Amino acid sequence: NAGVTQTPKFRVLKTGQSMTLLCAQDMNHEYMYWYRQDPGMGLRLIHYSVGEGTTAKGEVPDGYNVSRLKKQNFLLGLESAAPSQTSVYFCASSSDRGRRTEAFFGQGTRLTVV
Amino acid sequence: AQSVSQHNHHVILSEAASLELGCNYSYGGTVNLFWYVQYPGQHLQLLLKYFSGDPLVKGIKGFEAEFIKSKFSFNLRKPSVQWSDTAEYFCAVNSNTGFQKLVFGTGTRLLVSP
Repeated sequence: NAGVTQTPKFRVLKTGQSMTLLCAQDMNHEYMYWYRQDPGMGLRLIHYSVGEGTTAKGEVPDGYNVSRLKKQNFLLGLESAAPSQTSVYFCASSSDRGRRTEAFFGQGTRLTVV
Repeated sequence: AQSVSQHNHHVILSEAASLELGCNYSYGGTVNLFWYVQYPGQHLQLLLKYFSGDPLVKGIKGFEAEFIKSKFSFNLRKPSVQWSDTAEYFCAVNSNTGFQKLVFGTGTRLLVSP
């Protein structure tokens, strides 16, 4: 009964380094999302996916890339990390066209870029 | 574009006090409305949701919210808060037409003192 699992939970990067955040869901949901949470700004959508093999940009996509090669996994990549990407990242998934059902969230990844 | 406003950024209450957190959204069509809660160090969890029908919605842990269409509002209430309600509360909205992303407000930090 894992729900949405994010890996890793914490990470410190140096400016310019790259990394990939992994999100896995076991609820057979079609829709998956990556959000970032910053103080006073709530959650902002980075990228999302409406199904395996598809991705789309959200509100703040610059500096990030995503892939959804398997339905259960949604990867978020930072090719060249910047201090402005210091944030808490949340993955979420939902079913039913993302409308009339709740989104389920992972535990979050706290990323610090120094 | 949809937007969500939460005007109370920080709220401090004593135990047993009543709570009302404001949420206003901007969207002309039919919407789905959600309140999520984030306890310290944890992921977002759904408190309650409104899709249609009775505008007074009851959620978990004694919370309720009222949808007032004419005011574009979905305020969260609880008659008597407990110390364990200390958390950050997010209002969110998505459209009921097609696939629409969940848009979050900036959140309200609630501190309940014993």
